[in-house]
Amino acid sequence: QKEVEQNSGPLSVPEGAIASLNCTYSDRGSQSFFWYRQYSGKSPELIMFIYSNGDKEDGRFTAQLNKASQYVSLLIRDSQPSDSATYLCAVNRQSGGYNKLIFGAGTRLAVHP
Amino acid sequence: DTEVTQTPKHLVMGMTNKKSLKCEQHMGHRAMYWYKQKAKKPPELMFVYSYEKLSINESVPSRFSPECPNSSLLNLHLHALQPEDSALYLCASSQDYIQGPTYSNQPQHFGDGTRLSIL
Repeated sequence: QKEVEQNSGPLSVPEGAIASLNCTYSDRGSQSFFWYRQYSGKSPELIMFIYSNGDKEDGRFTAQLNKASQYVSLLIRDSQPSDSATYLCAVNRQSGGYNKLIFGAGTRLAVHP
Repeated sequence: DTEVTQTPKHLVMGMTNKKSLKCEQHMGHRAMYWYKQKAKKPPELMFVYSYEKLSINESVPSRFSPECPNSSLLNLHLHALQPEDSALYLCASSQDYIQGPTYSNQPQHFGDGTRLSIL
């Protein structure tokens, strides 16, 4: 089992729809959860971070965390073609007494007009 | 434009060359990171500096040598690299880096990266 799992996609949604991106993780001790957007050939850009169970909203983006189910998701409302990118879920893991971020393989989102 | 600046953006070097990658941030962050990202793969952690001290070396080969001259600068010195080292090298910074099971990671902000090709 991978430490951080994401569906590779592509997830195809029409412009204006809600895109739902999902991520599961294996370490029950994880405390921090991050979503990054990465355009092809570019570096990851921080979109959202969440530490507590529940929802966190920022503009068109909502991060949802359920630690009991070891599940974190990202909702993108009113999806735009410019949202087309790979979305990386990152989760902290304790190993050998130190924290490190573990990235999922990413979900490719395609928003079509 | 990101607040973490990396130079150069592209680098082509032979296996016998010595070169350096540079990273600079002016956000007052005290933790800086080097990641390596191969095509269609997620970033992989290489090194972590906290308060200018090396905190983590993820068993990176010695042909990669990090240096943190001050809290705003991070270098990665390269020597005798192999073709499989060709990748996007990403620098990131965060407010701080705290080890321990009860602490949450601070968000990390990435630079634009250096695309490295080894001939």
